[in-house]
Amino acid sequence: QLQLQESGPGLVKSSETLSLTCSVSGGSISSGSYYWGWFRQPPGKGLEWIGNIYYSGGTYYNPSLKSRVTVSVDTSKNQFSLKLSSVTAADTAVYYCARWYTSAWCVDYWGQGTLVSVTS
Amino acid sequence: QSALTQPASVSGSPGQSITISCTGTSSDVGSYNLVSWYQQHPGKAPKLMIYEGSKRPSGVSNRFSGSKSGNTASLTISGLQPEDEADYYCCSYAGSSIWVFGGGTKLTVL
Repeated sequence: QLQLQESGPGLVKSSETLSLTCSVSGGSISSGSYYWGWFRQPPGKGLEWIGNIYYSGGTYYNPSLKSRVTVSVDTSKNQFSLKLSSVTAADTAVYYCARWYTSAWCVDYWGQGTLVSVTS
Repeated sequence: QSALTQPASVSGSPGQSITISCTGTSSDVGSYNLVSWYQQHPGKAPKLMIYEGSKRPSGVSNRFSGSKSGNTASLTISGLQPEDEADYYCCSYAGSSIWVFGGGTKLTVL
């Protein structure tokens, strides 16, 4: 059974860079049938797509976040990562990593999510 | 790209059917058969319920069904059960390698 697990600091200071890693187990991140993605959900609000990455390094980003987002992949560790720069309180959210099934472009596996709070 | 429009809340009694709408534009919902629906219980990760507009993943009850007409996609839940009470989100491909979500609908089972 595929499992995804987010890890990283739960507190980030305003103007600094948020960094999270997603560890994938039970399957290879190098499978050609999937992209790997990041999403977030501010407390009490809806889901927002952040960006996707293919195992070979190709990326897609939400235009509203593109200038601050970098998603990278480390196939040797079966992990992918998110960096979000110049964070503000508006970036406080539960961050989810997930797997996109590219044949249907839907998200079929999600991590449990991790709350990241931006403090001043 | 703007978020898709969903009603903030819907409700129904056990055994009844409800429908949640997801309205986009001709650039997203109307152009692609790539609408997916997710169920999210409080404090939990979302769960895929419908993909490609009307297909159910293995293990999802056939009480859940999806459809699309023009720029609006819909999720119908028949035979409502207490465990269906959750938030529901639609998601659509919007072209140019961009995906957009709806704002979410809170389903209350009365």
